Amino acid sequence: GAVVSQHPSWVICKSGTSVKIECRSLDFQATTMFWYRQFPKQSLMLMATSNEGSKATYEQGVEKDKFLINHASLTLSTLTVTSAHPEDSSFYICSARPVANEKLFFGSGTQLSVL
Amino acid sequence: KNQVEQSPQSLIILEGKNCTLQCNYTVSPFSNLRWYKQDTGRGPVSLTIMTFSENTKSNGRYTATLDADTKQSSLHITASQLSDSASYICVVRSRGANNLFFGTGTRLTVIP
Repeated sequence: GAVVSQHPSWVICKSGTSVKIECRSLDFQATTMFWYRQFPKQSLMLMATSNEGSKATYEQGVEKDKFLINHASLTLSTLTVTSAHPEDSSFYICSARPVANEKLFFGSGTQLSVL
Repeated sequence: KNQVEQSPQSLIILEGKNCTLQCNYTVSPFSNLRWYKQDTGRGPVSLTIMTFSENTKSNGRYTATLDADTKQSSLHITASQLSDSASYICVVRSRGANNLFFGTGTRLTVIP
């Protein structure tokens, strides 16, 4: 089946630094990728939809300038958490959908801890 | 308002027993419903996907049902194993580009 690789799987950083998370579709092209955040014992919350070659669409309440999304190619989307603070500590997951295919494939997630 | 509600929130069962998880939704217009299994610290893995015309779909020991009239779905796990311990998330898609609605999940713990 299709594989979505997410890197890094965990990261610890100091408050005020920026962290970049990569999401790659390894064996298919994805014009659209999605970024989610998940707090402990809660379900996934969609943060933004990443569209290849255009600006990302952010969900209400998600700060565009804080969570920078870049989808420069059909196989790679990146999420950069800028000036991270402890409240940004969370589990971030990406998903991708092959072109002309409805099924979503999820990355393995990134656990971000901001000290 | 489009919502997906799951019950129970958590469940503990003995190994070998069966269990059923519920998902009720108000998403409209409906496109499809998916059940995902999410191990702690991992991304969700798809178990089943059901469209409007499908009532039942099986994937090994997992059987999902869908009643599009009452907007209810269930996930039945047969002969549970310790490895079934995970969160099970119901996701409903509405017709339209990127409209996915996530349930809060059911945390299943299988004990020996």
